[in-house]
Amino acid sequence: NAGVTQTPKFQVLKTGQSMTLQCAQDMNHEYMSWYRQDPGMGLRLIHYSVGAGITDQGEVPNGYNVSRSTTEDFPLRLLSAAPSQTSVYFCASRPTQRNTEAFFGQGTRLTVV
Amino acid sequence: RKEVEQDPGPFNVPEGATVAFNCTYSNSASQSFFWYRQDCRKEPKLLMSVYSSGNEDGRFTAQLNRASQYISLLIRDSKLSDSATYLCVVRRDFGNEKLTFGTGTRLTIIP
Repeated sequence: NAGVTQTPKFQVLKTGQSMTLQCAQDMNHEYMSWYRQDPGMGLRLIHYSVGAGITDQGEVPNGYNVSRSTTEDFPLRLLSAAPSQTSVYFCASRPTQRNTEAFFGQGTRLTVV
Repeated sequence: RKEVEQDPGPFNVPEGATVAFNCTYSNSASQSFFWYRQDCRKEPKLLMSVYSSGNEDGRFTAQLNRASQYISLLIRDSKLSDSATYLCVVRRDFGNEKLTFGTGTRLTIIP
C-alpha cells in the first residue's frame, strides 16, 4: 500500500542545473498537485493536474514544468535551478469528489547553492 | 490579504488542557474545509473535514461559521502526541480543484 511516492528525499543542486522530482501514486486518483513549503509561507501550489494529459498552473509556477502522461505519474521539472527554489516540495493526490482527503508524499528537501 | 489566515503561534499548552485554534478565510465561495496535521519534517495528513453543522472526532471538535468566514478546531484533554503544526485548508468547489493552505499553527504540549 504505497500511496504517494516521491523521489528523491533530499537533493542539492548548483544554480543553473536542471532536475526532475518524481511523484507516483497507486490509488488511481484523478487529481495530482505539487506544492512548495517555505517557512512562514505555508504550502503554495505550483502546478496541478485533474487527469492524464491535463495540467494547469498554480500560484507559483515560474521556473517549473510538469506533465501528466499517465494517471499514476506527475513529475516536476526544475528548468534552471535558482537559490529561490530552495524549499521542501510535496506532491499530493486525491479523487476529485467533494470533501475527499488529499494524500501527500513524504517530501523532497531541495537546496540550491 | 491572505486567502486563509491562521495565528502561527506557537501555542505552548500543558498536558490535559483544552486548546482552540481559529482560521479565517477570505473567499465566500469556499465550500470545503479541512484541518490537516503536520509533524516536524513530515508530510501533512488529514486530521478531519469540517462540516457546516460542526463535527467531532474523539477529543477533536471542528466548527464552521460561514457568516463570519472562520473555522475553529478544539482539542480537549491534550496529549503530548498532539504536538504538531495544524494547517487550515480551504477548497473552492464548483470546478475549482485547488486547495489553499494556511501557514499553520504550531502547538507544543508540555508535560
